[in-house]
Amino acid sequence: QQQVKQSPQSLIVQKGGISIINCAYENTAFDYFPWYQQFPGKGPALLIAIRPDVSEKKEGRFTISFNKSAKQFSLHIMDSQPGDSATYFCAASSSSGGSNYKLTFGKGTLLTVNP
Amino acid sequence: GAVVSQHPSRVICKSGTSVKIECRSLDFQATTMFWYRQFPKKSLMLMATSNEGSKATYEQGVEKDKFLINHASLTLSTLTVTSAHPEDSSFYICSARPDGETQYFGPGTRLLVL
Repeated sequence: QQQVKQSPQSLIVQKGGISIINCAYENTAFDYFPWYQQFPGKGPALLIAIRPDVSEKKEGRFTISFNKSAKQFSLHIMDSQPGDSATYFCAASSSSGGSNYKLTFGKGTLLTVNP
Repeated sequence: GAVVSQHPSRVICKSGTSVKIECRSLDFQATTMFWYRQFPKKSLMLMATSNEGSKATYEQGVEKDKFLINHASLTLSTLTVTSAHPEDSSFYICSARPDGETQYFGPGTRLLVL
C-alpha cells in the first residue's frame, strides 16, 4: 500500500529556531519528493522538491534531507519566522507505471512559530 | 509562472442542485489535471486524474456519476458536483501538471451545500 507517514502532527517553534518535519515512505518506486506549504483557506504551494539521486537540497531557508536507504526525507526550516506558520505536507510520486505522477500526501504538520 | 486558477472561490448552493467548478492553468498547458478534496485540518484526498481529451480516472470510492470531470482543453478542467448534498460540502482543490512530475495547485473552492 502506498503510504507516506509524516511527523510530527503539530510543531511549535520559537522565532529564529529550526523547524524539522519528517516523512517516511514505503514504496520504493517513488522517485520525486516535494514539500508543500498551505495557509488556511488557500491551496498548497510548492516549496521545494528532491529526487533520490541527491541527499540534500537547499533553497534559501528551506532544506530537504533525503535518506534513500532508510526511505526517509525531512524538511528543515532555518531561522523560522512567524510568517512560516502554516501546514506543511510532504508528498511522493512515481514516474513509472503510467501513474501520471499522482502524488501521495502525508497527513500534514501544523507549524506555529511564536514571535 | 505556473499559475493555476479556480472559479468560483466559494459557492453556496441548495441541496439537490449541481455546481460546476473550473480549473485553469493560466501560463502553461497542462498534460494532466488532478482534483482533490480536503476536509478541515486534514490532508488532500485525490478524487480523480484527468488528461485532456480522455475520460477521467477516479480513485476508489469516488462516485464518477456524482463528480463529473471534463478536461476540455490543455488549460481547462471542470468538476461538476451533481445533485449536491450537505455531505458534499468541502474544500475542492485542483492541480495541474505541465510535464514532468511537478504539480501546481489552484487556490481552492469552498463549497457549502445547504
